[in-house]
Amino acid sequence: DTAVSQTPKYLVTQMGNDKSIKCEQNLGHDTMYWYKQDSKKFLKIMFSYNNKELIINETVPNRFSPKSPDKAHLNLHINSLELGDSAVYFCASSIQGAEAFFGQGTRLTVV
Amino acid sequence: RKEVEQDPGPFNVPEGATVAFNCTYSNSASQSFFWYRQDCRKEPKLLMSVYSSGNEDGRFTAQLNRASQYISLLIRDSKLSDSATYLCVVMNTGFQKLVFGTGTRLLVSP
Repeated sequence: DTAVSQTPKYLVTQMGNDKSIKCEQNLGHDTMYWYKQDSKKFLKIMFSYNNKELIINETVPNRFSPKSPDKAHLNLHINSLELGDSAVYFCASSIQGAEAFFGQGTRLTVV
Repeated sequence: RKEVEQDPGPFNVPEGATVAFNCTYSNSASQSFFWYRQDCRKEPKLLMSVYSSGNEDGRFTAQLNRASQYISLLIRDSKLSDSATYLCVVMNTGFQKLVFGTGTRLLVSP
């Protein structure tokens, strides 16, 4: 049983395309996150949702739109992909205030 | 200044060595602290939480100094399998997000 699962694992796409990454957690957590890990391996938070409500948006471009249909899901849609969007995107979940559990990551390559 | 700072390393140590990593954080109101481990091309995984009184889990010991805003991780009797990047993580005020350090890379050699 995978606790936090995200799909796809790999995504190669052309500049200008629109793509989505899906995330689901079966841990019963109330908080979900999207993190971006760039080529320098720095993990930076993008969004945080608590009980389906957006609570953090870390100055991410409007081309990135998270959607949380319920507490167990947090999807990430990216419009007009740019070369600089190439990175590994991690979904994570937690009970608010506690440690987070991460999905296996989605390696996005924009060509 | 980064919110959470770590020496990126790499730390190259032989098997059996003791190695210590340090981390400093800038937000004095931070409330929770963790060490995560990340293997190459894998997701970060919780290694241990860090408590004010210090805590130990087998070969791993974590310490927190709130006055100096400093966190440490000590690994005793290093194993080859300890080779990874160790991430210092701080939960900010209001429990809204986990802030990660850049990580310290450890390489344990035979």
